[in-house]
Order: sequence, then C-alpha cells, then structure tokens
Amino acid sequence: SQTIHQWPATLVQPVGSPLSLECTVEGTSNPNLYWYRQAAGRGLQLLFYSVGIGQISSEVPQNLSASRPQDRQFILSSKKLLLSDSGFYLCASLRQVAGELFFGEGSRLTVL
Amino acid sequence: AQSVSQHNHHVILSEAASLELGCNYSYGGTVNLFWYVQYPGQHLQLLLKYFSGDPLVKGIKGFEAEFIKSKFSFNLRKPSVQWSDTAEYFCAVKFSSASKIIFGSGTRLSIRP
Repeated sequence: SQTIHQWPATLVQPVGSPLSLECTVEGTSNPNLYWYRQAAGRGLQLLFYSVGIGQISSEVPQNLSASRPQDRQFILSSKKLLLSDSGFYLCASLRQVAGELFFGEGSRLTVL
Repeated sequence: AQSVSQHNHHVILSEAASLELGCNYSYGGTVNLFWYVQYPGQHLQLLLKYFSGDPLVKGIKGFEAEFIKSKFSFNLRKPSVQWSDTAEYFCAVKFSSASKIIFGSGTRLSIRP
C-alpha cells in the first residue's frame, strides 16, 4: 500500500531563513505529487504539482519553490521565509488506480 | 481560470436535520470530483468521488453527492446528520486538461446535540 513520509513534522524558523520540506512516497511509481498549504478558512491551497521527475507546475506566485529530484521525492523550498509562509503544508500523491489523493501527515511551519 | 467554490463557510444544524453543502466549479471540460472530510484533530479522508456514469454517487457514512453538469455543481447531501458529523468538508476538482487538483475553501459543519 502507498505511504507518504513528510519531514520535519514541525518547524519553527525565523523570518529570512531558508526552508526545506521533504516528501517521500512509497508503494507506487511515477506518481503525480502535490504540495498544498492548509490555512484556517482558506481550505487547501494548491502550491505546486508534478507529473514526473524535474516537472514542476506552480500555481501560486510566491517565494516558495518545489523540486522533484527523484521519482518519489518532492521537496518544497524557500530561500528566505516570510511571516505569511506560516501554515500547515501537506504533500499528496494521486493514487493511479483509485484516482484519489492520498495525503501525508503534514508539516507545520511557524515563521517568527 | 479554473476554480472551486464552496459558498457555505459555516453551517450549524441540529441532529437529524438534513444536510446539503454546495460546491461549484468553473471549467467547461471533463472533471473528476471529490468530497473530503476532516474531523477535528484528524487528517483528510475521502468521503466520495465521481469520475463518470451515474451522477448520483454514494459515499461512506451515509453521504451522497449529485453531479449536475449543466450547473457545474457537485453538492454533498445527507438525509439525517449526527453529532459525529461535526467536521470540515472540502470539495475538490481534478481538471482533465492538467493534473491539477483544486480544493474549495471548505465548509465547517457544526451539529447541535
């Protein structure tokens, strides 16, 4: 069965510092991968998605970036964090047969 | 631009009342439609999904949803809610022209015992 590992689970960073959130998927190959940010009252905001290695689609212009260096690895990064980057970040994989999203445990980022 | 709207931000009902949560999307092509639920302190889980066929789909826990293509809608319904249905509900749409999956802003459902 498919599993998603996200780390770190919790992160507190100062404004202006860099960020790297990692997501690794097991139990599937060549998945579509997604990064979402969940904020109260705003639902899940799609940030990036990827259909394959090195292929990244950005949905929201901001100071975040994403990379997919390996088939089952998806990384969310920032060179300089802003206060507004605080939130709960979810990595998701599209189950190819069932056609539904499967979510990781999430990473809670607080920018101070 | 492709978008998903959930107009009910917070719904408060008494137990045994009927529920209908609205979901609309903007896109003229083929879509896959989903409803997810997030119970307090828990992660998102799938309630139901629609890909094709019968536009009335049944999900877990007595929920159902109807796809009305002409209205670009996929409303969630339950004939009689329970206190345990207190949660946040999210509509999501996968647009066929791309692999993006967009969520609505969510509807918080509170059930009075």
